[in-house]
Amino acid sequence: GESVGLHLPTLSVQEGDNSIINCAYSNSASDYFIWYKQESGKGPQFIIDIRSNMDKRQGQRVTVLLNKTVKHLSLQIAATQPGDSAVYFCAEIMNRDDKIIFGKGTRLHILP
Amino acid sequence: DAGVIQSPRHEVTEMGQEVTLRCKPISGHDYLFWYRQTMMRGLELLIYFNNNVPIDDSGMPEDRFSAKMPNASFSTLKIQPSEPRDSAVYFCASSSQTSGGGYGGELFFGEGSRLTVL
Repeated sequence: GESVGLHLPTLSVQEGDNSIINCAYSNSASDYFIWYKQESGKGPQFIIDIRSNMDKRQGQRVTVLLNKTVKHLSLQIAATQPGDSAVYFCAEIMNRDDKIIFGKGTRLHILP
Repeated sequence: DAGVIQSPRHEVTEMGQEVTLRCKPISGHDYLFWYRQTMMRGLELLIYFNNNVPIDDSGMPEDRFSAKMPNASFSTLKIQPSEPRDSAVYFCASSSQTSGGGYGGELFFGEGSRLTVL
């Protein structure tokens, strides 16, 4: 069935280190994947996306990797900053129905 | 643009009361989504509209929930009667369709409406 899940509910990272947040999905028909960041008391905000015909996409301090063989998605944040503290969600979409399914989320905690 | 606007931000009500949540999407966006967020279930898609027409309401929990979009700038999510298990943060989000068909990807979320049903 359709499901997106995350390996770890909480990730603690030292400020300045790189963060890697993982996501597993089960629907091989998904065309499109997105990472969202949700800060406390706010709605999720778009970070970066990747289409199923790509393996890697880079943004500013963030990189998304897609491994379709094992249905795995990851978000890498370089030089983690206090402002990166948030819950991160991966989401998958099948263009045939435009339905966006979110994973449970991983809380990123930055250690001083 | 002010972004997606939701009201109320917080609502506390008693079981059995009717609750109406409101959303104003970003002007020009032709998709509107209603999500519910809880600690146990995460972000759940309840219903979404395209050009004011409901496309998929399979996520609506039960008949107590209903959503309307009378025009391109307004949508409501109504719960009648409300129950304690409906307590959650309800998010509205909007987006625009990319050229070539299909969903563009970037959802713009409102700040959410936190509902507490006693």
